[in-house]
Amino acid sequence: SQKIEQNSEALNIQEGKTATLTCNYTNYSPAYLQWYRQDPGRGPVFLLLIRENEKEKRKERLKVTFDTTLKQSLFHITASQPADSATYLCALPDNAGNMLTFGGGTRLMVKP
Amino acid sequence: DTGVSQNPRHKITKRGQNVTFRCDPISEHNRLYWYRQTLGQGPEFLTYFQNEAQLEKSRLLSDRFSAERPKGSFSTLEIQRTEQGDSAMYLCASSRTSMGDNEQFFGPGTRLTVL
Repeated sequence: SQKIEQNSEALNIQEGKTATLTCNYTNYSPAYLQWYRQDPGRGPVFLLLIRENEKEKRKERLKVTFDTTLKQSLFHITASQPADSATYLCALPDNAGNMLTFGGGTRLMVKP
Repeated sequence: DTGVSQNPRHKITKRGQNVTFRCDPISEHNRLYWYRQTLGQGPEFLTYFQNEAQLEKSRLLSDRFSAERPKGSFSTLEIQRTEQGDSAMYLCASSRTSMGDNEQFFGPGTRLTVL
């Protein structure tokens, strides 16, 4: 099964800066990788998906990269705002694409 | 349809009691998933249904856990003889297989506390 590592320590940054979160996996390279946002006491919310043949994907202030050689995805939030403070989870599908395995998440704190 | 709903939102029970949670997925979604999440961890897969068929169960899932989706719509998750280690947030998610990318839509979760 896939093992996924995300930095368990909280990331604290100043408003306006770019936040960069890392997701590393250890086994097979999946067909795609997803990023979710989770606020306290709520279920995760889908943000972005990047496929194995895509190097980079953007959505508004979000950017995701996917390096299958390094087995790593980077998630960037540019011009960060306090409202971006949340836990960000990466998720990878199994070989059949039926199930998702989630990383432990990284908590982001954006200070005004 | 406003999204995935779960009931109850909170459940406090005594060790040894049985509990049942309900999930109502987005109506056109044929896949339904159950996850468990503890503090500081990501969601951990428990089981999933495609329509009414339960297609996968986690090897970590105790025999005390059972899930049903009788008509391919709502689902229930039952935990028998609860233990303190069962305390967690239980999340339900749904998706459409036609989407291919398996974007999952999560409910707000049911927080279980076993005393």
